[in-house]
Amino acid sequence: SQQGEEDPQALSIQEGENATMNCSYKTSINNLQWYRQNSGRGLVHLILIRSNEREKHSGRLRVTLDTSKKSSSLLITASRAADTASYFCATDPYNTNAGKSTFGDGTTLTVKP
Amino acid sequence: NAGVTQTPKFQVLKTGQSMTLQCAQDMNHEYMSWYRQDPGMGLRLIHYSVGAGITDQGEVPNGYNVSRSTTEDFPLRLLSAAPSQTSVYFCASKSRQRLGYTFGSGTRLTVV
Repeated sequence: SQQGEEDPQALSIQEGENATMNCSYKTSINNLQWYRQNSGRGLVHLILIRSNEREKHSGRLRVTLDTSKKSSSLLITASRAADTASYFCATDPYNTNAGKSTFGDGTTLTVKP
Repeated sequence: NAGVTQTPKFQVLKTGQSMTLQCAQDMNHEYMSWYRQDPGMGLRLIHYSVGAGITDQGEVPNGYNVSRSTTEDFPLRLLSAAPSQTSVYFCASKSRQRLGYTFGSGTRLTVV
């Protein structure tokens, strides 16, 4: 079974709006990562947040992590048409090998021009 | 610096055939993993490796073998292809210091 579950499954917004997607996971983690996948392509790593961090920023991306709720959110501010993609969270479970990252099913984001 | 290179990009197999999906990375990453992605779904871990000579099973290992004789290469072998193995296969690598994966562009496999 998947460790991470994204919500919503699909999100459609207008260019310039903010997009928020959420990830919930089941077991304790070492870190949580967010990836982007453009249609038919490989995944691209966006940002990693460690279990002892609560918030992290990278450009227009803001990630939060709440380990008590076992959840994370990814906020994309001032969205652009080029942000249209699927977004996945992945977790490295606590005290296990970092080669065993587990991915959720993703959120499909559509940004309309 | 090519990153993670996967070959072939597309492959059609008949049921029962075997083949090897190639994966190579030139970043000296310790970790390498194979994932499969079925339509509309996330990635499921097939096998992974934490270094040359060390491999382990992931979530869906049945029907696949791997080996890691060098740091750079991590081939995935399909032993006897089945239609249920129709999927897109991604190879990925990462270093111990920076724990985000670098992904290859994928192999789209169809088993008929």
